Amino acid sequence: GAVVSQHPSWVICKSGTSVKIECRSLDFQATTMFWYRQFPKQSLMLMATSNEGSKATYEQGVEKDKFLINHASLTLSTLTVTSAHPEDSSFYICSAATLLYPSYNSPLHFGNGTRLTVT
Amino acid sequence: QQQVKQSPQSLIVQKGGISIINCAYENTAFDYFPWYQQFPGKGPALLIAIRPDVSEKKEGRFTISFNKSAKQFSLHIMDSQPGDSATYFCAARGDGGQNFVFGPGTRLSVLP
Repeated sequence: GAVVSQHPSWVICKSGTSVKIECRSLDFQATTMFWYRQFPKQSLMLMATSNEGSKATYEQGVEKDKFLINHASLTLSTLTVTSAHPEDSSFYICSAATLLYPSYNSPLHFGNGTRLTVT
Repeated sequence: QQQVKQSPQSLIVQKGGISIINCAYENTAFDYFPWYQQFPGKGPALLIAIRPDVSEKKEGRFTISFNKSAKQFSLHIMDSQPGDSATYFCAARGDGGQNFVFGPGTRLSVLP
């Protein structure tokens, strides 16, 4: 099956520093990548949608200047948490798909997530 | 209209029993309904998915039942095993929309 690699799997950083998380589709080209945030025992909260070569679309309430998303190629998207604060500590998950018609031709595949801890 | 409702929130089943998780949606434009399984500390993994022109799909011990008129779909796990203990998310997507809409999740615990 399709593989999405997310790196790092966990990271600890100091408050005020920036952290970059990478998401790669290893065996397919992803036209669209999604970034989610997940709080303990809760569902996936969509942060932003990125299409290759264009600016990401952020969900309401997500600070685009704080969560920088770059989707430079069909296999790589990055999320940079800038000036991280303890409240940014969370589990971040990327997913990727090649969106086709009809929808069932476009399964969504997830990375294994990144546990970010800001001290 | 973009919501997917999921129940129960948590489920405890004895080993060998049947686990049933239900989801409901409103948006008739949805035409793809996957289920994801997530273990603690891991990303969700695609488990099984169904199209609205099919009423049932089975893969091993996992079966999706789909009721288009009622706008409901459910996941059945037969012969549940302790290794099935995880959080399960239903989801939906429709053409014209990029986003997948996820249910709130069901935490399944299968007792040995």
